[in-house]
Amino acid sequence: DAGVIQSPRHEVTEMGQEVTLRCKPISGHDYLFWYRQTMMRGLELLIYFNNNVPIDDSGMPEDRFSAKMPNASFSTLKIQPSEPRDSAVYFCASSEQGARNQPQHFGDGTRLSIL
Amino acid sequence: DQQVKQNSPSLSVQEGRISILNCDYTNSMFDYFLWYKKYPAEGPTFLISISSIKDKNEDGRFTVFLNKSAKHLSLHIVPSQPGDSAVYFCAASARGGTSYGKLTFGQGTILTVHP
Repeated sequence: DAGVIQSPRHEVTEMGQEVTLRCKPISGHDYLFWYRQTMMRGLELLIYFNNNVPIDDSGMPEDRFSAKMPNASFSTLKIQPSEPRDSAVYFCASSEQGARNQPQHFGDGTRLSIL
Repeated sequence: DQQVKQNSPSLSVQEGRISILNCDYTNSMFDYFLWYKKYPAEGPTFLISISSIKDKNEDGRFTVFLNKSAKHLSLHIVPSQPGDSAVYFCAASARGGTSYGKLTFGQGTILTVHP
């Protein structure tokens, strides 16, 4: 069974450019989460979806960040315009319905560097 | 406001000895706790969890203890093996509302097990 798949694994781009990160959750999982990991703030939740609907986006840092989940097997996190302080590792995770006591399964992350 | 704290950034132990990783939390609404392990260039992987109705949960070499009155939990690894060397994250979940399924992570503790 394939795990959570994220692409690209690495992204280097210049400040001001649009960045799109992609995630394919585990089939059958109804919850999808986007996290950001930095040295300063650790692993922080940005937004999560249930059945493709955004439930809590309170962790999204600002309007430059947006996330979508057009169907059960695909989600994107977009940054436009990007800034150097957005440099971080971005993780996507998914879990089954009743995610309350179900562990989240993480992808291997996208390492983003904004120059 | 860091609701989940891992005050030890790193821990070094000898192979075969016990590793004890600690975690404190401040939010009294947290009632489900998890430990994740993370290797470099990979996403976190679920290790073990505990509900607040219990004070101990064991899975092979891994045991998690929960002290609700102290708002403290710990992960014991016995015996420690070099392959356990990784970053360990404590995470907590609160009941109700948009907190359903949402995890708050600690900053992580780097465990190094020496042969």
